[in-house]
Amino acid sequence: DAKTTQPTSMDCAEGRAANLPCNHSTISGNEYVYWYRQIHSQGPQYIIHGLKNNETNEMASLIITEDRKSSTLILPHATLRDTAVYYCIVRPPDDKIIFGKGTRLHILP
Amino acid sequence: NAGVMQNPRHLVRRRGQEARLRCSPMKGHSHVYWYRQLPEEGLKFMVYLQKENIIDESGMPKERFSAEFPKEGPSILRIQQVVRGDSAAYFCASSPGSPHEKLFFGSGTQLSVL
Repeated sequence: DAKTTQPTSMDCAEGRAANLPCNHSTISGNEYVYWYRQIHSQGPQYIIHGLKNNETNEMASLIITEDRKSSTLILPHATLRDTAVYYCIVRPPDDKIIFGKGTRLHILP
Repeated sequence: NAGVMQNPRHLVRRRGQEARLRCSPMKGHSHVYWYRQLPEEGLKFMVYLQKENIIDESGMPKERFSAEFPKEGPSILRIQQVVRGDSAAYFCASSPGSPHEKLFFGSGTQLSVL
């Protein structure tokens, strides 16, 4: 079973920052937080992952709270192509990824 | 560097036939994962393999389903005596195998059982 809780859906205006929250209150010390997204029936796409520190790459930023019980994925300038289901996942090293229901993000023109 | 390749993209089978789904991991990747996605549902883990070894098959149905990842060649997900409920998208992912490595997913195989 997925160990994360995410909103079922969210809307964001095109060009604005999309902030997707995730709760993972039972996360263990060696578990990483991963974010993937799935754009309409395509294979899931890796976005970003982190352990304790905030992370940033060309796609997004990941903000993890100090107690590691929650995190936020930030898409700085959302476009229509960012419309997708976003999955927040906690994963022990060397283990499989278990997907939950994710957040369906709608980018509005 | 080619991505994860899955074939066929679409597979149609009649009830009772066998379905074979192939997955070629990215170059240098030795770990393969299979997931199933039923219509309007989430991705469900099926099996995790390394070369010639099944590491975790906790998500595989006990009957009719099998998977392999031979020393040479692609990983194969095999479904015997397919039923309509097997109709789904099947996704394969690969990783190099190092801890914390991200998974790269293929485009999936859409299986339709008539």
